[in-house]
Order: sequence, then structure tokens, then C-alpha cells
Amino acid sequence: AQKVTQAQTEISVVEKEDVTLDCVYETRDTTYYLFWYKQPPSGELVFLIRRNSFDEQNEISGRYSWNFQKSTSSFNFTITASQVVDSAVYFCALSEANNDMRFGAGTRLTVKP
Amino acid sequence: DTGVSQNPRHKITKRGQNVTFRCDPISEHNRLYWYRQTLGQGPEFLTYFQNEAQLEKSRLLSDRFSAERPKGSFSTLEIQRTEQGDSAMYLCASSPGVGLINTQYFGPGTRLTVL
Repeated sequence: AQKVTQAQTEISVVEKEDVTLDCVYETRDTTYYLFWYKQPPSGELVFLIRRNSFDEQNEISGRYSWNFQKSTSSFNFTITASQVVDSAVYFCALSEANNDMRFGAGTRLTVKP
Repeated sequence: DTGVSQNPRHKITKRGQNVTFRCDPISEHNRLYWYRQTLGQGPEFLTYFQNEAQLEKSRLLSDRFSAERPKGSFSTLEIQRTEQGDSAMYLCASSPGVGLINTQYFGPGTRLTVL
């Protein structure tokens, strides 16, 4: 069965600090996809990134970077030089071949000015 | 290019009443998904459609819940005889293509409050 764990319920940082959001997953499939979504106070889930299980290359997009490690079943998300606008709930999600998506419980990030 | 839209955005109803929500996916997206999100939790999968065919249903989808996607375009989610435990945000997502996994794009959700 698939499972996603986001151990950090809430994180609070001061603007310009770097912050890493952890995600650990469980799956029996060899083919799967990992996602990160952002849910700002407005409520709409915003897609950030998708990674498939065969591509462990880390990715950087502006201030965002993702570290995918199959050996530890982790897919961590780092925000560099955080900004107040980064405040949101961030969800990690896993999808196996059956297409439905299993979300973690989310990490609420608060960036203080 | 518009995103996924959902109506209404908020719904307050009394226990025992029926409610219906609508989701309009991104145009040309073949797949449409429904999720439920309660406070402090991540979204939970309810069901999904490939065009007009409902291909998968979660055990969370009790017999009081029904979803349709006539003509493979918009979808409706109906809850009959609502209960207070149905209070949640109902999210719709759509994704393009067939075969391979595709990224799901979410709408703003419908927040249901059952009094």
C-alpha cells in the first residue's frame, strides 16, 4: 500500500532563511510518481513538481530545489531565501500506476518578515 | 486558458439535505478526479473518470455519494442525506492524456458545511 509521511506539521522561519520540508514515502511498485503541491490560504492546490521513480536527478527551479533519494524513500523540498509569500501548506504526494494520488498530511510553513 | 473551476465555492446545508457540486475541468483534459479534504489533512481520493467512464472509486465514497461525468466534460458530485461528517472541502482535479500518469491540476474547491 502507498503511504506518504510528512513528519513536520508546522515550520516557522524568518524571511531569507532556508527551509527544508521532509517527505518520506512507501510503495511496493517500482514505477511511481512523486509530487509537491502548495496550498496557499486561498485554498487552491498549486502544482510545483513531478518526479518519476526512474529519475533521481535533483531539480532546481529558482529558489526551489528538490532532493529525491530512492535509497531512503525521501523526496525533500528546500526553499532558499524564503519569502513571506512562501507561507502556505505544502503537500507531498505519491501516485502509483492506478492513477489515484496519496497525499501526506502537509507541512504548514510560516515565513515571518 | 482557464483552469479547473468549481461551483459553488461554498455551500451550507442542513443535515439530511442533498447537495450537488459541479466541476469544469481544463478543456481537453480526459481525466477528472474528486478528492475530499478535511481540516489539517491532505486531500483524500474519492473517484476518477477517464472521459465519461468512472474507473475507480474509493471506499470513502459511500452509497450516499454519486458522481457523474456525462459526455466526458464537466462532472457533478452529489451527496444525498448529508451528515455533519460530510463537512469538508471537495476538490476537483483534471489531467491530460491517456495511458501514462499525468500531473493533476486542481480547482479552488467547494467548501461544504453541514449544520
